[in-house]
Amino acid sequence: DVKVTQSSRYLVKRTGEKVFLECVQDMDHENMFWYRQDPGLGLRLIYFSYDVKMKEKGDIPEGYSVSREKKERFSLILESASTNQTSMYLCASSTGGGVGEKLFFGSGTQLSVL
Amino acid sequence: QKEVEQDPGPLSVPEGAIVSLNCTYSNSAFQYFMWYRQYSRKGPELLMYTYSSGNKEDGRFTAQVDKSSKYISLFIRDSQPSDSATYLCAMIPYGQNFVFGPGTRLSVLP
Repeated sequence: DVKVTQSSRYLVKRTGEKVFLECVQDMDHENMFWYRQDPGLGLRLIYFSYDVKMKEKGDIPEGYSVSREKKERFSLILESASTNQTSMYLCASSTGGGVGEKLFFGSGTQLSVL
Repeated sequence: QKEVEQDPGPLSVPEGAIVSLNCTYSNSAFQYFMWYRQYSRKGPELLMYTYSSGNKEDGRFTAQVDKSSKYISLFIRDSQPSDSATYLCAMIPYGQNFVFGPGTRLSVLP
């Protein structure tokens, strides 16, 4: 089974702190994604990556950056956390290739910024 | 108009009922269709995957796609309290990113 592992289930941070969310997948997937999920707004794509050292902005990249130094690891960085970044953050990886592509999620990190 | 529409619920049914969950979409380029189940405070897990019009069955679950009407459904037979979750539909046009519905929250009452 595909496993996508997020390093923390719950995080509490203070406004202005730099926050790192880590994600590791074990299926050699090319593509990795960061989403945030908020009640009433659904899943929104923050950033994605189709290859090592490559990143693309999603729908809501403001206030975030990402790092992909190794194929299996994709990190989301909140440079200066703000209260409106309190959310559930979901990492995902996919088989890629267009035809038959499937997306697999981690368990999520519930981030609270105080 | 949003690309993918889904009734958010909540939907409450008695144990053993047949559940029908639906999504409509506007982009005829969508080619692959998925249903995810998400338990409270967990990540979504892939439940069903289809890429053509018609039905696909897996145990108590049946996914149905009608591309001509731009409509997909998930049916759950003999629903159980353990089926209580939020169900997200997702779809993808070739070569682009996934698009998700907002999810329908389902409660199956014992």
